[in-house]
Amino acid sequence: GAVVSQHPSWVICKSGTSVKIECRSLDFQATTMFWYRQFPKQSLMLMATSNEGSKATYEQGVEKDKFLINHASLTLSTLTVTSAHPEDSSFYICSARDSGLDQPQHFGDGTRLSIL
Amino acid sequence: AQSVTQPDIHITVSEGASLELRCNYSYGATPYLFWYVQSPGQGLQLLLKYFSGDTLVQGIKGFEAEFKRSQSSFNLRKPSVHWSDAAEYFCAVVTMDSNYQLIWGAGTKLIIKP
Repeated sequence: GAVVSQHPSWVICKSGTSVKIECRSLDFQATTMFWYRQFPKQSLMLMATSNEGSKATYEQGVEKDKFLINHASLTLSTLTVTSAHPEDSSFYICSARDSGLDQPQHFGDGTRLSIL
Repeated sequence: AQSVTQPDIHITVSEGASLELRCNYSYGATPYLFWYVQSPGQGLQLLLKYFSGDTLVQGIKGFEAEFKRSQSSFNLRKPSVHWSDAAEYFCAVVTMDSNYQLIWGAGTKLIIKP
């Protein structure tokens, strides 16, 4: 089956630093990748949608300059949390989907980000 | 606007008992329907999906779901649960109007009693 690798799985860092999270589709080409944030005991909140080679489309209320998304190839997207602060601590999950409305999203295992 | 409702926040089931998790959607046409499972601290795994055709779909880990157009429902079932099924289950839809995005239910936490 389709595999999405997300890396790292856990990050702890100081306030003010930037953190990069990688999302790779290992055995298929991901035309579209999604980045989600999940708060404890809640469903996923879509942050942005990115198509390979284009700028990401951010959801309302998500700061573009804070959460930089790059989808440079059909198998890799990155999310960089810039100048992270404790309120950015969360569980971030990526997903990847091949072209076609009927293609399911395949999810990475998530990244637990803790900002001290 | 499209929406997905999972009416049960928690469900507790004895090991070996049958399970049904409810999911209803609001949309004028038939969406693409999905069930995902999330174990604690992990990403989501696709259990099954419905696009068209046979309304009873089989998924992984012994799960199945039935699409009922008249009830706008896509309930997930398993005849006999195992302790390893304890997790959070999310129902989601994709529609022509959602621009390829998944619209999520709030999730149902499944607790297994020994």
